[in-house]
Amino acid sequence: DIQMTQSPSTLSASVGDRVTITCRASQSISSWLAWYQQKPGKAPKLLIYKASSLESGVPSRFSGSGSGTEFTLTISSLQPDDFATYYCQQYNSYLWTFGQGTKVEIK
Amino acid sequence: EVQLVESGGGLVQPGGSLRLSCAASGFTVSSNYMSWVRQAPGKGLEWVSVIYSGGSTYYADSVKGRFTISRHNSKNTLYLQMNSLRAEDTAVYYCARAGGAPPGAFDIWGQGTMVTVSS
Repeated sequence: DIQMTQSPSTLSASVGDRVTITCRASQSISSWLAWYQQKPGKAPKLLIYKASSLESGVPSRFSGSGSGTEFTLTISSLQPDDFATYYCQQYNSYLWTFGQGTKVEIK
Repeated sequence: EVQLVESGGGLVQPGGSLRLSCAASGFTVSSNYMSWVRQAPGKGLEWVSVIYSGGSTYYADSVKGRFTISRHNSKNTLYLQMNSLRAEDTAVYYCARAGGAPPGAFDIWGQGTMVTVSS
């Protein structure tokens, strides 16, 4: 199975900060990676698919990059609504897997 | 409106069974890849199973041989039959559509249904 490792596990930041979250795959997954945002008690929300494609309706301050085994999610200017937990997910193989999550907290 | 609504969660004893349902509206379940994803209390997301539009099914190692994913085309509903339940299966279970080309990114999610395995 492909393992996904996110870093950091927790990130403290202020409104307006540029934030970067990293996701590493245990083997190459080409560009078959998605990013999600989840708030407490809610279902996850798709932000990015195919590593860098922005889902419809998602603010342009969110961007994704990478291919192969290393990927990043960047929030260009953190907004109050962005404090949440973020997950990466690979769909390269027929057994899909999520990263362990990165919680973005208020500094 | 495009929507997924799960039902069937509840409290079950270890070793017991439960069947979750996920009713779709606004799109056709059988034309899409559909998955179950779970989240244990205070933990991260765990992919559980997928059924392809062609009918192929795949499972995470943690549930293989105990859980079965299926769909009822005329009811436009996805199911997860869970047998031999263990305490570690306690979680919120979400159904989700895997959209895109190739399918894999979950673009539509249900609200989740809680399953508690305890004596």
